[in-house]
Amino acid sequence: KNEVEQSPQNLTAQEGEFITINCSYSVGISALHWLQQHPGGGIVSLFMLSSGKKKHGRLIATINIQEKHSSLHITASHPRDSAVYICAVISGGNQFYFGTGTSLTVIP
Amino acid sequence: NAGVTQTPKFQVLKTGQSMTLQCAQDMNHEYMSWYRQDPGMGLRLIHYSVGAGITDQGEVPNGYNVSRSTTEDFPLRLLSAAPSQTSVYFCASSLLAGGYNEQFFGPGTRLTVL
Repeated sequence: KNEVEQSPQNLTAQEGEFITINCSYSVGISALHWLQQHPGGGIVSLFMLSSGKKKHGRLIATINIQEKHSSLHITASHPRDSAVYICAVISGGNQFYFGTGTSLTVIP
Repeated sequence: NAGVTQTPKFQVLKTGQSMTLQCAQDMNHEYMSWYRQDPGMGLRLIHYSVGAGITDQGEVPNGYNVSRSTTEDFPLRLLSAAPSQTSVYFCASSLLAGGYNEQFFGPGTRLTVL
C-alpha cells in the first residue's frame, strides 16, 4: 500500500517546455514537501506546502487539501532541471511518507 | 556551516558484521532522521529523533538501532548486517519536528552487504 503516488514515473521534455508532475496521497497530512534528487544522488528541498501555492523562480507548487493532490510545475524547462522529483507527506506527527519519484530528462 | 554530514560514503560488509553509520549536523536542528532508499521504492523512514535523548521507530526499524546523546549526532547502528540491508542510506535534519520545516539531507551512504 503506497500512501503517496506520483505520476508520471518518467518524463522526457524538450528544453523550454512546461512540465507538470503530480502527487496524490491517501492519508491525512500536516504538510507536503517537494524534493529534488540530483543525478549524483544528493537530495535538496524545493518546497514545503500546507495549503495554496508557492513559487520559486521557474518552479511552482500547488496543493489541494480537499482532493489530496499536489502538483509541481516547471516553466521554461532547462537541461539542468533533469533530476528525480520526489513528493513527501508528513502524517501522524513525525512520520514522513515518500513517493517513488518522477525521473525528468530535459533534452536541449 | 557544513550542513548534514555522513560517513562513510561507501561501505561493503559481510553478512553478520556490525557497523555504525555516522550522521552529524551543525545547524542546531532538533529533528533528525534516517532513511533508506531502494530501487523502485520511495525513501523509507527507519528511525527518527525529535531531540537529544528522544528516539522513535519509523516504518522499517528492524535490524537497526539509533541513539541521540547530543543535538549534533545521530548514529545508525546495524547490529548484524543482512543482504536485505543493501541500500543507500540518507540522514536528514530539520529545525523542529512536525513537518513544517525544510529538511536538509546528507550526501548518503551506499552500503552493500555480501
